[in-house]
Amino acid sequence: IVMTQSPLFLPVTPGEPVSISCKSSQSLLNNNGYYFDWYLQKPGQSPQLLIYFGSRRASGVPARFSGSVSGTDFTLKISRVEAEDVGIYYCMQGLQPPFTFGPGTKVEIK
Amino acid sequence: EVQLVVSGGGLVQPGGSLRLSCAVSGFTFNFYEMNWVRQAPGSGPESVAYISNSGSVIYYADSVKGRFTISRDDAKNSLYLQMNSLRVEDTAVYYCARKSSYDGREYHYNGMDVWGQGTTVTVSS
Repeated sequence: IVMTQSPLFLPVTPGEPVSISCKSSQSLLNNNGYYFDWYLQKPGQSPQLLIYFGSRRASGVPARFSGSVSGTDFTLKISRVEAEDVGIYYCMQGLQPPFTFGPGTKVEIK
Repeated sequence: EVQLVVSGGGLVQPGGSLRLSCAVSGFTFNFYEMNWVRQAPGSGPESVAYISNSGSVIYYADSVKGRFTISRDDAKNSLYLQMNSLRVEDTAVYYCARKSSYDGREYHYNGMDVWGQGTTVTVSS
């Protein structure tokens, strides 16, 4: 399963909304949900789970992060981006192992 | 506290072998699927090996198939990755990651919700 993301680079202004898109090459629907995740990797750290099952926020993730799904199109939204949100955002399909990641969206402060 | 601690990385010559270990604590290990994910310098993550909670289902990325072996020892709460015939292109930070769980009645899709700190594998002559 191939995952594509856009944009690949995203300069942001603190306080503004942000949207990142990901598309899977086939349906990730299973068990009434989507086997699809969003991860954030901050510099020098392991990736951390933000959103799983398409739209569920992981434990401890701020409410400004949300995920939505429309068929094979997935969107991560940050309602008001903060300086601590910089890093690379990856989408991942968790349906068929080996699981595949998107190329990543690098988010930086303008 | 839920924790994954990875060890075993290092410098190895092409054609050599390494064994990575991931010691887990703070959760019921045999409920969870586990993965090895690597990240080459300047690249995104690549899932290279998967093992089901029972150990009966295993998958590998094509890039490592036939050379890497994933295994788990539930009695020791440990996950392993045996890496043979190492190539320069295997150079990466290797992470172990916990994925979904099966409690004997129900499957819970959790994403890769816990990651180890990573260990660096460098393959070079």
